[in-house]
Amino acid sequence: EADIYQTPRYLVIGTGKKITLECSQTMGHDKMYWYQQDPGMELHLIHYSYGVNSTEKGDLSSESTVSRIRTEHFPLTLESARPSHTSQYLCASRQTGTDQPQHFGDGTRLSIL
Amino acid sequence: SQQGEEDPQALSIQEGENATMNCSYKTSINNLQWYRQNSGRGLVHLILIRSNEREKHSGRLRVTLDTSKKSSSLLITASRAADTASYFCATDIFSGNTPLVFGKGTRLSVIA
Repeated sequence: EADIYQTPRYLVIGTGKKITLECSQTMGHDKMYWYQQDPGMELHLIHYSYGVNSTEKGDLSSESTVSRIRTEHFPLTLESARPSHTSQYLCASRQTGTDQPQHFGDGTRLSIL
Repeated sequence: SQQGEEDPQALSIQEGENATMNCSYKTSINNLQWYRQNSGRGLVHLILIRSNEREKHSGRLRVTLDTSKKSSSLLITASRAADTASYFCATDIFSGNTPLVFGKGTRLSVIA
């Protein structure tokens, strides 16, 4: 299995709280991604980064923000959680170059009450 | 916008049978990749096929690619209960600096 870690694995929290989902990889990959996914359903790209100090928004409109201060770390922050944010969040990374596979963490299952 | 579309959305088979999943896409690609996702876990890369390849094998997996029809298929032979998972195709478009585009997935159930 790839070395990409997400914490926490599960989080139940009240509306209005600020949340940071952590993602770290030890493979030195430049490219990192955040996806939102209802379990077993399609993935929606919400943010990605192609290196330090580089961040882009994905296809899904999101009220979250990301930062990429270090190559190995790509945290996702929700400033004020809402019930509509309840979902699974997957982090992934990929090496620069052609024909590279993507490596995923096991996700954070987020429930907003 | 969704590039890959898997078919069928769900598939239920008996252990020992073969499972075939299809993926269609819209634009030219550099490669196409298949991933598996077990319940409650992240996606795991299974196999990559380049645009100039037509068929690739890995263990019980066989992938075909038809660039003229913009379609790919994933065949799992002699399926096992442990193959129960969601399977996603993903396309890597020529620009090289765009994210992979994932399909909606096929949910496979293998009944023992």
